[in-house]
Amino acid sequence: LAKTTQPISMDSYEGQEVNITCSHNNIATNDYITWYQQFPSQGPRFIIQGYKTKVTNEVASLFIPADRKSSTLSLPRVSLSDTAVYYCLVGRSSSNTGKLIFGQGTTLQVKP
Amino acid sequence: GAVVSQHPSRVICKSGTSVKIECRSLDFQATTMFWYRQFPKQSLMLMATSNEGSKATYEQGVEKDKFLINHASLTLSTLTVTSAHPEDSSFYICSASKQPEAFFGQGTRLTVV
Repeated sequence: LAKTTQPISMDSYEGQEVNITCSHNNIATNDYITWYQQFPSQGPRFIIQGYKTKVTNEVASLFIPADRKSSTLSLPRVSLSDTAVYYCLVGRSSSNTGKLIFGQGTTLQVKP
Repeated sequence: GAVVSQHPSRVICKSGTSVKIECRSLDFQATTMFWYRQFPKQSLMLMATSNEGSKATYEQGVEKDKFLINHASLTLSTLTVTSAHPEDSSFYICSASKQPEAFFGQGTRLTVV
């Protein structure tokens, strides 16, 4: 499983767009990129997954450049409730049995 | 989305006793479930893979005799912390996969006193 590197922490204000970048230089051809969100004393929650270019859902966008060695999670117009830890994971979704290796994550603090 | 439920959400036990934590997939079958441990301000650490009908696979450094895992049905895995000690106090989280997502339980806060 490819190792990932993220900023340890980020601060933002309500209403701003937040972009969290993750480096995964050793990503393999079959690897997908998945982001999870975790609130204190709760299990992680799936946010978004992608393989290349751009993926968008109702809560976030995921931008993946052509070389796939990094990815950026974009949260539009954050609110206080988006304060959480965000994890970037890389692995083979198509054959993934659910075994996930978590990195350190990025603690996002949204301020009023 | 799919639901994974853990029980209990919190438990306090005395040192030397054993504690059982249940993990259920409520609306899908899971032949494989995973157990994680998370200490304060740290990331999730994978402890073991629970396989329905067979022995669990433990990650390096995790004592299989201390953390007993049973996966007797397609919707239930249990983690028993045996002879618990204060250093076992942690947040334990289970997950089950329903492609392409992994669904996590709400976690169990174990405090050993």
